[in-house]
Amino acid sequence: KAGVTQTPRYLIKTRGQQVTLSCSPISGHRSVSWYQQTPGQGLQFLFEYFSETQRNKGNFPGRFSGRQFSNSRSEMNVSTLELGDSALYLCASSSGQPSSGANVLTFGAGSRLTVL
Amino acid sequence: AQSVTQLDSHVSVSEGTPVLLRCNYSSSYSPSLFWYVQHPNKGLQLLLKYTSAATLVKGINGFEAEFKKSETSFHLTKPSAHMSDAAEYFCVVSDRRDRGSTLGRLYFGRGTQLTVWP
Repeated sequence: KAGVTQTPRYLIKTRGQQVTLSCSPISGHRSVSWYQQTPGQGLQFLFEYFSETQRNKGNFPGRFSGRQFSNSRSEMNVSTLELGDSALYLCASSSGQPSSGANVLTFGAGSRLTVL
Repeated sequence: AQSVTQLDSHVSVSEGTPVLLRCNYSSSYSPSLFWYVQHPNKGLQLLLKYTSAATLVKGINGFEAEFKKSETSFHLTKPSAHMSDAAEYFCVVSDRRDRGSTLGRLYFGRGTQLTVWP
């Protein structure tokens, strides 16, 4: 079955603009989480959605937001872009239910954002 | 609090020699531990996971890791390196306490870049 699909794969924006990244999870997966990967900070958790509800949020400013749709697809948005937002944004999906604690994530290839 | 320390940022080995990537973790509760690999311009792929069953965990591509609670370690090993193993490896911890409320929050180490020489 198809893996986690992220679009676009590459994009270039300028400071002050906003960007929306999309993630389609593996069919049947209801949990989607987002991570930011930079050389300086490594991999950092942004947020997680399950059944259209944000279940957890990392330590990022309010310019970073996300949502999940009824088909489990997810988008994240970054407004008022800063140079430091340049990063690889990774989406991951999981089939586990919260009570089962199964949290093996399958990652997409990422969206590489460059802010000029 | 949960954290992961990967003791080497870079490891270089010759093809056919053993690989050892070191990881120490800190967790307030019984952790779940993972190793992920990232090849250039690709996402993260799960190598193996530990979730309190056998302490020696076998993964894909000949990798394995041993959970040692007394040493709070979860080192990744492979008996014989292959050129295709060159990639970045991440040790990851998920706190079981989080499981009731969240699925996706993992804590990543800073990564170990593995170079394999012919």
